[in-house]
This record gives sequence, structure tokens and C-alpha cells, in this order.
Amino acid sequence: GAGVSQSPRYKVAKRGQDVALRCDPISGHVSLFWYQQALGQGPEFLTYFQNEAQLDKSGLPSDRFFAERPEGSVSTLKIQRTQQEDSAVYLCASSLGFLKGASGNTIYFGEGSWLTVV
Amino acid sequence: SQQGEEDPQALSIQEGENATMNCSYKTSINNLQWYRQNSGRGLVHLILIRSNEREKHSGRLRVTLDTSKKSSSLLITASRAADTASYFCAHAWGKLTFGQGTILTVHP
Repeated sequence: GAGVSQSPRYKVAKRGQDVALRCDPISGHVSLFWYQQALGQGPEFLTYFQNEAQLDKSGLPSDRFFAERPEGSVSTLKIQRTQQEDSAVYLCASSLGFLKGASGNTIYFGEGSWLTVV
Repeated sequence: SQQGEEDPQALSIQEGENATMNCSYKTSINNLQWYRQNSGRGLVHLILIRSNEREKHSGRLRVTLDTSKKSSSLLITASRAADTASYFCAHAWGKLTFGQGTILTVHP
């Protein structure tokens, strides 16, 4: 497809369960971002990949959160031992170039994965 | 948090009126971007303004940027009911940092 694709779109997990969220960025896009958006809030940065390298993971809220992009395309965000406060929309985004040092790169977002932890 | 601030938090107008949303940020930026989000949907990119630009237009959208005041505004002219959505500004410096958003309601 032409856009960023995320799956699953909706996930209900029992507290303590592990979940994996997948992101297919736009083909050829170097940069990939994960954001977390709580209800009624703006998206909060989680992590950033440049190709397969995870250059910034400063936004990951705890060591239960792990992201990977092993071949520089598809990325997976894994949340271990989910807790209720993990309930949010997880947004993936990609960009053709890099943000730092390049002033004109548009970032394209997927529709998000809605996670509800019960 | 490095999130910027947006005001107003909510804006309710009649169709045909103009809507203005403001955004402030705290860090240096490469560019500033405005996004729209319909309820339950992903973010749609509207417009990007570079740090060396002061004003940019796209259709009914007009964005201004004042780097000395670390602020930006988004003007939607001749609003339509279909413009009802949340609008977010996001400033870019290594990563994209979002504001809290403005909820715009346009009444037909």
C-alpha cells in the first residue's frame, strides 16, 4: 500500500499479557517512529529508528517496552506484562529522510493500534 | 516533557468563519508541522514550515512561524463542517514533539 500500515488495529489484552504491534512503513522510508497517544492527549514520542539502528529510545516508559526493526523496514513494538496504564493508541510513522539536520522531511502516520488492557 | 502548548484547547465556530489555533514550543527547531486527527483515526499531515520561513499557505490553510517568540499559528479560512477535528502542531529537532492539540468544532 501507499501509506503506513499498522496491525492489529485493535487489541484487547489481559493485564500481564505480552503484546506485539506491527508497523509497515512506506517503502524506502529511512526513518521510523513510534508514538503513544493517550485519550485526549497529543502523541508522545517513544522511539526512533534510522534504518535498522535504534537511535533514540528515550521515550520508552519502562523496560517492559521494546522495539525492533531488524531489516530496516518492518518494525515491531513489544510490550511485556501489560498494565492498565499501557492502554493507549500506538502510532507508527515514517519519513523518507532524517529529521535532524534536514529541514523539510514530512512524517507520515499510520492509523494506529488501539490497545486496551483489562 | 518537551511538549509544546496549544491554545485554545477547544474552539467552536460556525461554518464559514475563520479558525485560528496557536502553538508554542520551547526548543530549537528544524521545522514545525501541523497535523489533523479525526476522532478514532490517525494523524494526517497538513503543512510543514521550515525554521527559516515566516509564512506558508496551502489552500484554505495559512501557517505563520515566529522563531523569536517560539510560536506558530494555523489559520483555517472559510471553515466547513468537515474541518471538525483535533489539530496538533509538532516541532522537529531530531524527533517530532507534539502539542496537546486544539479540538475544533465547526457547526453547519
